[in-house]
Amino acid sequence: GAGVSQSPSNKVTEKGKDVELRCDPISGHTALYWYRQRLGQGLEFLIYFQGNSAPDKSGLPSDRFSAERTGESVSTLTIQRTQQEDSAVYLCASSLGWGDRTEAFFGQGTRLTVV
Amino acid sequence: SQQGEEDPQALSIQEGENATMNCSYKTSINNLQWYRQNSGRGLVHLILIRSNEREKHSGRLRVTLDTSKKSSSLLITASRAADTASYFCATDYGNNRLAFGKGNQVVVIP
Repeated sequence: GAGVSQSPSNKVTEKGKDVELRCDPISGHTALYWYRQRLGQGLEFLIYFQGNSAPDKSGLPSDRFSAERTGESVSTLTIQRTQQEDSAVYLCASSLGWGDRTEAFFGQGTRLTVV
Repeated sequence: SQQGEEDPQALSIQEGENATMNCSYKTSINNLQWYRQNSGRGLVHLILIRSNEREKHSGRLRVTLDTSKKSSSLLITASRAADTASYFCATDYGNNRLAFGKGNQVVVIP
């Protein structure tokens, strides 16, 4: 595709339910990031994938959060047993991820509301 | 962890004025990038400045980089209402990975 695609655009879920967010990066981009952004706040790093290297999961806030990426393609972010504080916009970005080609291309995000 | 850090202040200016925001970082970088975010959705890349560059221009944007002070500034000249957004700096520490700062809100009053 032409850009980074995230789905769904909006998700309303009940507290305690699991949710899965999807990110389709730009083809050929080896690096992929997930960020969380609460209303009016900055970007909170969650996880980083780079090619076949082990992902950097240091930003995941709890063991309810997990993410996977198959090779250099789609990534899914899963939140189990959602809590109200999980309400935020979840942003995905990808980049070529080598040399000077680290410019990040962002998707439009998934707005998650936990009620 | 996020090491690119903008001055964490909201900036409110009149249309036509210039807007300046700053970003500091902690260790040597390969390059530094600025992004803009409208309405809390995806960020858009504005400009990249390499560690061996001191100044770069793109339209009404001017970016400077001072590696001795480990800081960068973004200047928007002749601001417009459409420039109202959050602006983020991101540092590439040479490991092919970006670290984003917390963002700086700019409001341009028509």
